[in-house]
Amino acid sequence: AQTVTQSQPEMSVQEAETVTLSCTYDTSESDYYLFWYKQPPSRQMILVIRQEAYKQQNATENRFSVNFQKAAKSFSLKISDSQLGDAAMYFCAYKDQGGSEKLVFGKGTKLTVNP
Amino acid sequence: SQTIHQWPATLVQPVGSPLSLECTVEGTSNPNLYWYRQAAGRGLQLLFYSVGIGQISSEVPQNLSASRPQDRQFILSSKKLLLSDSGFYLCAWGSRGLYEQYFGPGTRLTVT
Repeated sequence: AQTVTQSQPEMSVQEAETVTLSCTYDTSESDYYLFWYKQPPSRQMILVIRQEAYKQQNATENRFSVNFQKAAKSFSLKISDSQLGDAAMYFCAYKDQGGSEKLVFGKGTKLTVNP
Repeated sequence: SQTIHQWPATLVQPVGSPLSLECTVEGTSNPNLYWYRQAAGRGLQLLFYSVGIGQISSEVPQNLSASRPQDRQFILSSKKLLLSDSGFYLCAWGSRGLYEQYFGPGTRLTVT
């Protein structure tokens, strides 16, 4: 079964600085998707960024970018120019391209942004 | 644009009482629908998903059931709640052309 591991339960960053959140996953599949979701205090899960495994180019969405290392099964999220509104729980998630409809989530990293 | 609604937002129920949580999606047809539960300090666990009306797949055998009476409506139920059913319940939708899922605002359930 696929598993997703986020080894950093908590991280902090100064406003305007850059922070990287780590995620590793385990799968025997070659085609899959990876996601980062943000859960602010309101607790609604918000999609931040997604990466298709077949793409070598790392995904970027404004201040958010990923470092996808397929061979290492690593998928880290970099947040540049951190803002107070970035404070939240961040969850890494995995999905097979076919078959299971399930998103497999890590346990999350709580990000604090200090002013 | 697509919108997903969940209600109620908060619910406190005694042990042994029934449960009905509702989720509806607007702005899309024939979505895949999902129920997740998030326990305190943990990630999300998929409970049920549905790819069409009346089609329900269960990921975790437990005290809960799900139904999809209409294309864009997904209901999570229980006949008798247990203390262990407490948690934050999230509904999500996805489509066959997308691999990501979009989440509703969630329901915080406390069983006392």
